[in-house]
Amino acid sequence: EIVLTQSPATLSLSPGERATLSCRASQSVGTYLGWYQHKPGQPPRLLIYDASSRATGIPARFDGSGSGTDFTLTISSLEPEDFAVYYCQQRTNWPRTFGQGTTVEIK
Amino acid sequence: EVHLLQSGGGLIQPGGSLILSCAASGFSVSSNYMSWVRQAPGKGLQWVSIIYYGNVGSTYYADSVKGRFTISRDTSRNTLFLHMNNLRADDTAVYYCARDIDYSSSSPGWFDPWGQGTQVTVSS
Repeated sequence: EIVLTQSPATLSLSPGERATLSCRASQSVGTYLGWYQHKPGQPPRLLIYDASSRATGIPARFDGSGSGTDFTLTISSLEPEDFAVYYCQQRTNWPRTFGQGTTVEIK
Repeated sequence: EVHLLQSGGGLIQPGGSLILSCAASGFSVSSNYMSWVRQAPGKGLQWVSIIYYGNVGSTYYADSVKGRFTISRDTSRNTLFLHMNNLRADDTAVYYCARDIDYSSSSPGWFDPWGQGTQVTVSS
């Protein structure tokens, strides 16, 4: 199965700062990579699919990029509601797999 | 608005059985791929099972639950189910149902939206 490795494990930032999250795949997934936001007590929410397409209702400050094995989720200016855990997921091979997550916490 | 409302779950002894339900609104479960995803304590997300759309409704499972879990749906109730048998301690997790959709093709792909999640605890 494809292993997704996210870095860093934790990102400590202040509101208004730029967040850059990385996801690396153990083999090429093309552009079949997505990103989810997960807050405590809530279900995950799809942010980005196909590496760079924003899901319905997702603000423009969330931007996905990359292809092959290296992907990035950028949050251009952190809002208070953006502090959460972020997971990447691939849909190239079965089983679909997720990264272990990056926690974006308030500094 | 598309929405998924889960029910079921709870505390169950090892070897026991449990059924999770997931009622959909705003879309048809029989016309969409539907999946279950779980999150064990302190762990990341793990895909568990999928049921394909249409009359046949092919099903697939993660190796860790194959032979013990069964995914199904009731079209008349627009509801998805996960029947869990022979439960083990490592099945302890929050279980989420989700529509499994790819916005650029007819394949399963992304999980959107998700149910609110239900806790399953396997312990004696």
